[in-house]
Amino acid sequence: QVTLRESGPALVTPTQTLTLTCTFSGFSLTTTGMCVNWIRQPPGKALEWLARIDWDDDKYYSTSLKTRLTISKDTSRNQVFLTMTNMDPVDTATYYCARHIVEPTTYSNPLDSWGQGTLVTVSS
Amino acid sequence: DIVMTQSPDSLAVSLGERATINCKASQSVLYNSNNKNYLAWYQQRPGQPPKLLIYWASTRDSGVPDRFSGSWSGTDFTLTINSLQAEDVAVYHCQQYYRIPWTFGQGTKVEIK
Repeated sequence: QVTLRESGPALVTPTQTLTLTCTFSGFSLTTTGMCVNWIRQPPGKALEWLARIDWDDDKYYSTSLKTRLTISKDTSRNQVFLTMTNMDPVDTATYYCARHIVEPTTYSNPLDSWGQGTLVTVSS
Repeated sequence: DIVMTQSPDSLAVSLGERATINCKASQSVLYNSNNKNYLAWYQQRPGQPPKLLIYWASTRDSGVPDRFSGSWSGTDFTLTINSLQAEDVAVYHCQQYYRIPWTFGQGTKVEIK
């Protein structure tokens, strides 16, 4: 059974750097094809894909946020991290991590497992 | 970036009736080598994370009731819920996984009339 769980601070002040952790089980990021993504959702608004890290350490970022984001992993602890610099109140959102799988025949698949999300509020 | 535009933003449907949600991609999400549309639908019940409902535009995920169906014409995609049930109250999101950055529609809220 695949599970993912996000953790991090519930409140950050403007200009701070946010660091979130995704702890997962039921798969390994050393297995070919496994990928972990970060997605966020401001209250009452749309989902926004942020970043992705693959089993081979390839990394991909949102076009509009790539200068502020860094994604990394610790395969020994089954964790993926997201740092976002220069936080602003507009970054207030629930942050989710989710898995997808890359396969040779389909090259990509949808997000098949999601964490419960963690709400981050940016306020002074 | 590929822009996904959903319509309507919300709709209210009577129990047992049909709900239809549309999603338009700003460019093709069809991968010619395998003839698959890289389009997924997610259901997000209140207070819950999104859950994969349909992928490849029309394939139901495991355990999804057959009252949910997906279809398409070109870059226009449709999610249909036949015989709406109370547990179907949710926000439904479309998403393209054809090209990075992956993008979502703005979501459609389905309520009971």
